[in-house]
Amino acid sequence: ETGVTQSPTHLIKTRGQQVTLRCSSQSGHNTVSWYQQALGQGPQFIFQYYREEENGRGNFPPRFSGLQFPNYSSELNVNALELDDSALYLCASSRAGSGANVLTFGAGSRLTVL
Amino acid sequence: DQQVKQNSPSLSVQEGRISILNCDYTNSMFDYFLWYKKYPAEGPTFLISISSIKDKNEDGRFTVFLNKSAKHLSLHIVPSQPGDSAVYFCAASAVHSDYKLSFGAGTTVTVRA
Repeated sequence: ETGVTQSPTHLIKTRGQQVTLRCSSQSGHNTVSWYQQALGQGPQFIFQYYREEENGRGNFPPRFSGLQFPNYSSELNVNALELDDSALYLCASSRAGSGANVLTFGAGSRLTVL
Repeated sequence: DQQVKQNSPSLSVQEGRISILNCDYTNSMFDYFLWYKKYPAEGPTFLISISSIKDKNEDGRFTVFLNKSAKHLSLHIVPSQPGDSAVYFCAASAVHSDYKLSFGAGTTVTVRA
């Protein structure tokens, strides 16, 4: 059983640029969530995708957007990068209807915005 | 507005002794609580959970206690082992919005040999 894999692991961008982060969900999982973890803080919910549609969203502006593909993999896109977007971005997958919101996380993509 | 709080950023404990991690929450709609463990350069991994209809759940060396009236939960690790050294996150989900977890800032546990 493969876990959640994310790419790239590290990247550096400059303010105003755009970034795309990728995630492959765990085998058998059909729901993908994205979280932002700033330094010294816990993960913060960005949004969740189920059946290729956004299923819920946290307190993040529209320049944070996502996609889910038929194979349940997902992308997180951030436009017009700001310095405060520097963080570890975690992808997590789960199986809808499993009865408990137990997420399986990837190791994350660490984004630095200069 | 942080709805889940872990007020102790770090905890140091001797091997074989008990580790007690605390977590407080403010949202009365939270009905499911989880603990995750995170090693450096790895994603958080699920450790143990508890539903609001229970006040205790045990899994091997790990026990979670829930006090709903105080909006407080704790994780007990007995006995602590060197491999338990990690960051521990408390998380919660709410009725009708169980698609998202709200996390605390984490507690770094160091188990001394």
